[in-house]
Amino acid sequence: GIQVEQSPPDLILQEGANSTLRCNFSDSVNNLQWFHQNPWGQLINLFYIPSGTKQNGRLSATTVATERYSLLYISSSQTTDSGVYFCAVETETSYDKVIFGPGTSLSVIP
Amino acid sequence: EAQVTQNPRYLITVTGKKLTVTCSQNMNHEYMSWYRQDPGLGLRQIYYSMNVEVTDKGDVPEGYKVSRKEKRNFPLILESPSPNQTSLYFCASSFQRNYGYTFGSGTRLTVV
Repeated sequence: GIQVEQSPPDLILQEGANSTLRCNFSDSVNNLQWFHQNPWGQLINLFYIPSGTKQNGRLSATTVATERYSLLYISSSQTTDSGVYFCAVETETSYDKVIFGPGTSLSVIP
Repeated sequence: EAQVTQNPRYLITVTGKKLTVTCSQNMNHEYMSWYRQDPGLGLRQIYYSMNVEVTDKGDVPEGYKVSRKEKRNFPLILESPSPNQTSLYFCASSFQRNYGYTFGSGTRLTVV
């Protein structure tokens, strides 16, 4: 089946810093999503982005489907950005299953 | 408010006692899914449903059942829970398979 990798696994940032999180996948995808799980466990959809670039405030995401990766950019990080960031993909061969990556754990310190 | 509602939020039960975790969405979404989240293993899909009366297995379906009799509801049934089903469970829905997910708040289940 498809392999989904995320890097880095852990990241510590000073408040105000920028960061880039990466998601690599081993097969062509129909669907790619980025999620944030906050410290209370809630999962929030950030982007649905099978290809191209999207921006939402301080966050933006780019998926290069032909090269099988996606990037999540966080600018001017805030302590509320702390948590775990997951990418999730659905491929042409995964028959409607959505597979999550292992996540990047982000801590933003004041 | 558009949302996915899971109940209960927390549950402690004993081995073998049947239980149901409910999931309901008010967005008229076609696609619904259940995940479990475990430390070191991430989020793994249990079952999903493309529409009413259409369900299919995810990656870890053993020990679970689901039903989709109505569009809004997608309950997760554990007929005979075991301690290895202790986990954090999430229900999710989306308009169609290629749209973004909305997740419920999670159900933390402990089986002793």
